[in-house]
Amino acid sequence: DQQVKQNSPSLSVQEGRISILNCDYTNSMFDYFLWYKKYPAEGPTFLISISSIKDKNEDGRFTVFLNKSAKHLSLHIVPSQPGDSAVYFCAASASNAGGTSYGKLTFGQGTILTVHP
Amino acid sequence: SQTIHQWPATLVQPVGSPLSLECTVEGTSNPNLYWYRQAAGRGLQLLFYSVGIGQISSEVPQNLSASRPQDRQFILSSKKLLLSDSGFYLCAVGGDQPQHFGDGTRLSIL
Repeated sequence: DQQVKQNSPSLSVQEGRISILNCDYTNSMFDYFLWYKKYPAEGPTFLISISSIKDKNEDGRFTVFLNKSAKHLSLHIVPSQPGDSAVYFCAASASNAGGTSYGKLTFGQGTILTVHP
Repeated sequence: SQTIHQWPATLVQPVGSPLSLECTVEGTSNPNLYWYRQAAGRGLQLLFYSVGIGQISSEVPQNLSASRPQDRQFILSSKKLLLSDSGFYLCAVGGDQPQHFGDGTRLSIL
């Protein structure tokens, strides 16, 4: 059962434009959501997160939006840069899973973002 | 800041051979530690997590086991590898901040 889904395997965007990466979840117990960026042969790098008490969190060029009623979150990258080309994973966690609010993560399948110069 | 060491970076093993992957963490104490696997074309799947020395929780039934002999050491093992054990294995540290990942071990089973 895929509790976190990224339905777009890939996304291609021109440099300077907006990249929108989407993620859906089914488990209503999830209350903390994260986005990670991954380059080949490296571990994922944390980008940005959002708690379920918020609907938006912004950090520089990266903004995450959460729609709890739709069980949907998205990552916006503006403006997109060629260095943003990577695989992006969304992940979700339920409070106290593993004993902390930053507990066990359930990941989506990832979306390959390609930003063309 | 936290540093995660994973080795080896790549490993090629025959079917039926044993496995031992090691993860050590610096810059933190009493962390939560995690083993994930990424199969080809798939997302990351949580295999094991540990909240303390000797405490291991398994997330999925499988051919693998984990141990935490020291506070900042997490080991992933198998007695006999299967072809389905191929993948990219990642160690992560968490607790009071978002999980931070090591650079992983690419395991190929022949």
